[in-house]
Amino acid sequence: GAVVSQHPSWVICKSGTSVKIECRSLDFQATTMFWYRQFPKQSLMLMATSNEGSKATYEQGVEKDKFLINHASLTLSTLTVTSAHPEDSSFYICSDWDRSTDTQYFGPGTRLTVL
Amino acid sequence: GENVEQHPSTLSVQEGDSAVIKCTYSDSASNYFPWYKQELGKRPQLIIDIRSNVGEKKDQRIAVTLNKTAKHFSLHITETQPEDSAVYFCAATTPFGNEKLTFGTGTRLTIIP
Repeated sequence: GAVVSQHPSWVICKSGTSVKIECRSLDFQATTMFWYRQFPKQSLMLMATSNEGSKATYEQGVEKDKFLINHASLTLSTLTVTSAHPEDSSFYICSDWDRSTDTQYFGPGTRLTVL
Repeated sequence: GENVEQHPSTLSVQEGDSAVIKCTYSDSASNYFPWYKQELGKRPQLIIDIRSNVGEKKDQRIAVTLNKTAKHFSLHITETQPEDSAVYFCAATTPFGNEKLTFGTGTRLTIIP
C-alpha cells in the first residue's frame, strides 16, 4: 500500500501555543488528503478534507480558524492547531487517497498533548 | 450523512475460535466498506475491504460479507491467534468523487491464549 508519513510523531506544548503537523504522501501524488482526530478509546472522527491547491472542506463542528489546513503541494498537507488548549489533546491522523486503487492509507499519527 | 454502527464494542475469544464483528450503515449509496485493525498507539491498518458489487471476500483467515439489502457487513476472523488482539474498525464511504470514510465505533478484540 501507499506510504504516508507524519511529523512530528508526538508533541507536547503549552496552552495558547500553535502546533503544526505535517502529512506527506511518499510514493504518489495525493490530490486529496484527510485529517482525523481520535480521542482515547474512541473512533476516528473526520475533521476535514484537504484538497491540493484549494481550500479544505471542514466537517460540521470543526472550527476552520482553529484547525488551519494547507495543501500546497501534491505530497504535503499540514494541519496547524492554533491557540491549543488541553481539550485539543488527541491523536491526529492523516490519510491519503490513492485514486489508482481507490483506497485510503493512514499516516502513523501525531499525539498532541497540551499542558 | 452516513452513519455506521458497530457491534460488539468488546469481544473476547478463545485462541483458535472464530470472531465475528458486525456493522450496519445508513446510506444506501455507500459502495466501499473497508476494515481496519488498530493496535495501541499506532495507525489503522487496512486488513480487508469489499465493494458493493460483491457479497463476500476472503483473504486467508479473514473474510468480509456484505448484505446490501439489509445494509450490513461483517468481519469474520477464523482460527484466531493472540496477535489478532487489537481494535477493529469498520467504515463506509459514499462515491461521488470524495472518498470520505465514516467509521464505526470500534471493537476491542481480545484473544485468550
